[in-house]
Amino acid sequence: NAGVTQTPKFQVLKTGQSMTLQCAQDMNHNSMYWYRQDPGMGLRLIYYSASEGTTDKGEVPNGYNVSRLNKREFSLRLESAAPSQTSVYFCASTGPSSYNEQFFGPGTRLTVL
Amino acid sequence: ILNVEQSPQSLHVQEGDSTNFTCSFPSSNFYALHWYRWETAKSPEALFVMTLNGDEKKKGRISATLNTKEGYSYLYIKGSQPEDSATYLCAFIAGGTSYGKLTFGQGTILTVHP
Repeated sequence: NAGVTQTPKFQVLKTGQSMTLQCAQDMNHNSMYWYRQDPGMGLRLIYYSASEGTTDKGEVPNGYNVSRLNKREFSLRLESAAPSQTSVYFCASTGPSSYNEQFFGPGTRLTVL
Repeated sequence: ILNVEQSPQSLHVQEGDSTNFTCSFPSSNFYALHWYRWETAKSPEALFVMTLNGDEKKKGRISATLNTKEGYSYLYIKGSQPEDSATYLCAFIAGGTSYGKLTFGQGTILTVHP
């Protein structure tokens, strides 16, 4: 099992460009999450999907959209990137009976110039 | 926004020292409290998932306790080793309508010097 995979690992964008961060898990987990990690801020929840077909806002959803394409895949889209979105983005998933124990992907380091 | 606080923010200890740090969280509407270990250039990995008041969990030299009535959890490392150097995160999950959403603390950065 690959666990949780994310693409790309690194990305540099110019202000105003758009891009989609991809996340996939092969653990048959129902719930998936997107976080951003900034120095001194810990991990902050952007969006999550409790199950296929549902998505909900987290703590910092502004400037982002998500799609739960199927049970395996949960993508994060930046429609018009801003320098404030420079961050490391982590995707995570959790199984149905684990009190939401998170399994994290390797992260995507995004720089917006 | 739920308030989850970790202290201290960073800690430097010598190899062999024992250490502990604290996670404070809301004392109402508790569902679960997680501890994660996050090594540099890697992803966070779960250490403990704690669900009941009075829970005590242990994994090797690392242990954790939980007090949901007063809203805190302690993480202890006995006989610290350089490989214990990492950021330790706690995450609080509330019950009810907040079910499924984790609120992370800012983390405690532990550095163990040989």
